[in-house]
Amino acid sequence: QSVLTQPPSVSGAPGQRVTISCTGSSSSIGAGYDVHWYQQLPGTAPKLLIFANSNRPSGVPDRFSGFRSGTSASLAITGLQAEDEADYYCQSYDTGLSGYVFGTGTKVTVL
Amino acid sequence: QVQLQESGPGLVKPSETLSLTCTVSGGSISSYYWSWIRQPPGKGLEWIGHIYNSGSTNYNPSLKSRVTISLDTSKKRFSVKLTSVTAADTAVYYCARWRRDGGYFDYWGQGTLVTVSS
Repeated sequence: QSVLTQPPSVSGAPGQRVTISCTGSSSSIGAGYDVHWYQQLPGTAPKLLIFANSNRPSGVPDRFSGFRSGTSASLAITGLQAEDEADYYCQSYDTGLSGYVFGTGTKVTVL
Repeated sequence: QVQLQESGPGLVKPSETLSLTCTVSGGSISSYYWSWIRQPPGKGLEWIGHIYNSGSTNYNPSLKSRVTISLDTSKKRFSVKLTSVTAADTAVYYCARWRRDGGYFDYWGQGTLVTVSS
């Protein structure tokens, strides 16, 4: 039921910068709804990483940043570390589906 | 620090009702919205619905005919019931706190795997 599309995987060497895109539509991100990002480490529950497009909860390193524009959003990880290896999901609201929706998920691999 | 803990049967037979409870500790249950989210093995996340202290609920339209979320503020817990389950309902079920002021989920339980099988 995902209406937010993410690349299945991205990878980078330690220290590099990677970005994850989240593509929605005119009924979700394009309608002005905020985008939020979650990190899911292997075998654990998702953890809020970015809320309201670009805000970090307390305790989240500033290596993580978010941006929203038009019908899409992106998450950037700078100074990639081994501990960043996880699945990442975007989340927003879709008026067409009348509900809260998650992205398809992106697996980040640290080479 | 808010903590959430899911509990309930790990195995449910097809056509029966899945029932789970989430217990909240470390914070107020009365001033927030409380949600259920699920994740089939190896797949992505799906929002099931949420409830507020007033009893107001909002459900995923794709599940609305089968799901009920309830709240017991005196025991600081909320529950989900999903009727007529099939193998497609096999998933890890998470409870979470939903922030109405932003539309995001800020605290999550550890999740519990529910398998639908005879």
